[in-house]
Amino acid sequence: EIVLTQSPGTLSLSPGERATLSCRASQSINSRYFAWYQQKPGQAPRLLIDAASRRATGIPDRFSGSGSGTDFTLTISRLEPEDFAVYYCQQYDRSIFTFGPGTKVEIK
Amino acid sequence: EVQLVESGGGLVQPGGSLRLSCAASGFTFTTYWMHWVRQVPGKGLVWVSRMNVDGSTITYADSVKGRYTISRDNAKNMLYLQMDSLRVDDTAVYYCARSPAWGGMDVWGQGTTVTVSS
Repeated sequence: EIVLTQSPGTLSLSPGERATLSCRASQSINSRYFAWYQQKPGQAPRLLIDAASRRATGIPDRFSGSGSGTDFTLTISRLEPEDFAVYYCQQYDRSIFTFGPGTKVEIK
Repeated sequence: EVQLVESGGGLVQPGGSLRLSCAASGFTFTTYWMHWVRQVPGKGLVWVSRMNVDGSTITYADSVKGRYTISRDNAKNMLYLQMDSLRVDDTAVYYCARSPAWGGMDVWGQGTTVTVSS
């Protein structure tokens, strides 16, 4: 089973700052099968990025994804107040899908 | 409006059974894989199971294999999760979600809460 590790666990930033979130896989992943999600308290997750770098429908262009192999990054270029949330990476390169443990982006 | 609505959650004793349902609307159900994902409040997301468009390919997380059964009724636009031999650590909010084949989960339901307790 592929294990995903996210860092940092918590990111404390101010609105307007740049956020860089990391996700590392225990084995190489086909980047076609890698996604990022955002979840706010009391809400279902929302797909931000799939295929490692393709923004989902309606996602602002301040969100971008990159990476390949075992290392993937989600970048939020300028944090808006509504971006403070928990972010999860996910792989589906194998029949077993897995999520990372999440990175919480909190207001500093 | 594209929508997924889960139902069937509740309180059940350890060893008991529960069947969750997910009603899909606003899209062509038969062209999407369907998934169940669970989350203990305050904790992370855990993928549970997925089924492809015609039910010919099903996979489960190891933690539920042999106890849970995913199914779908394409004529009714419904997804199900039969949960047997429930354990306390199955307690969670259960979400259904759709994905294009080998794509990200782009639509999620609001979740239904399952509590396993004596």
